[in-house]
Amino acid sequence: DAKTTQPTSMDCAEGRAANLPCNHSTISGNEYVYWYRQIHSQGPQYIIHGLKNNETNEMASLIITEDRKSSTLILPHATLRDTAVYYCIAPGEDRKLIWGLGTSLGVNP
Amino acid sequence: NAGVTQTPKFRILKIGQSMTLQCTQDMNHNYMYWYRQDPGMGLKLIYYSVGAGITDKGEVPNGYNVSRSTTEDFPLRLELAAPSQTSVYFCASSHSAGARQPQHFGDGTRLSIL
Repeated sequence: DAKTTQPTSMDCAEGRAANLPCNHSTISGNEYVYWYRQIHSQGPQYIIHGLKNNETNEMASLIITEDRKSSTLILPHATLRDTAVYYCIAPGEDRKLIWGLGTSLGVNP
Repeated sequence: NAGVTQTPKFRILKIGQSMTLQCTQDMNHNYMYWYRQDPGMGLKLIYYSVGAGITDKGEVPNGYNVSRSTTEDFPLRLELAAPSQTSVYFCASSHSAGARQPQHFGDGTRLSIL
């Protein structure tokens, strides 16, 4: 199973873009990268996922490097409500998600 | 939009007691999962199910049991509660068709064993 590495914490000013990096150097060619977030110990919330191409939805953008060894989640205009722990996950073939400690994002007014 | 519903939201048990954590989903998802999350840690998979009548162990199954008699319901049973099972428990579901599908989570059950 692929493993991911993320910084423990990051800060961002409200209204600015938040760029959250993730390394997944052992990912295999057919494994997707998923991003979830968890606010105030609520249930995790799905954000976005991708395989090779960059992806964008109403919540965020996901930039995946060409060699697929790393990716960056971009929240284009962070708000206070985006304060959460963000998890980057690359599950294995058995669909099991392996959760690390994630990145604690603080959005400052 | 109910999604994934977990009950109860909070519970305190004494050591040795048993209880069942309920989970139901209304999205007709085939896959369902149980996770536990200890303070400051990521989620760990306890059990999962790929459809009614089929269950399998995850990372940390000891001390738990599950059943899946219907598509909608996936209860988690603790037979002999131990302090090490104090945790927040999350149930999730996902669709089985097509490419990898994201998981939808409930709001969790906060369980304390004293």
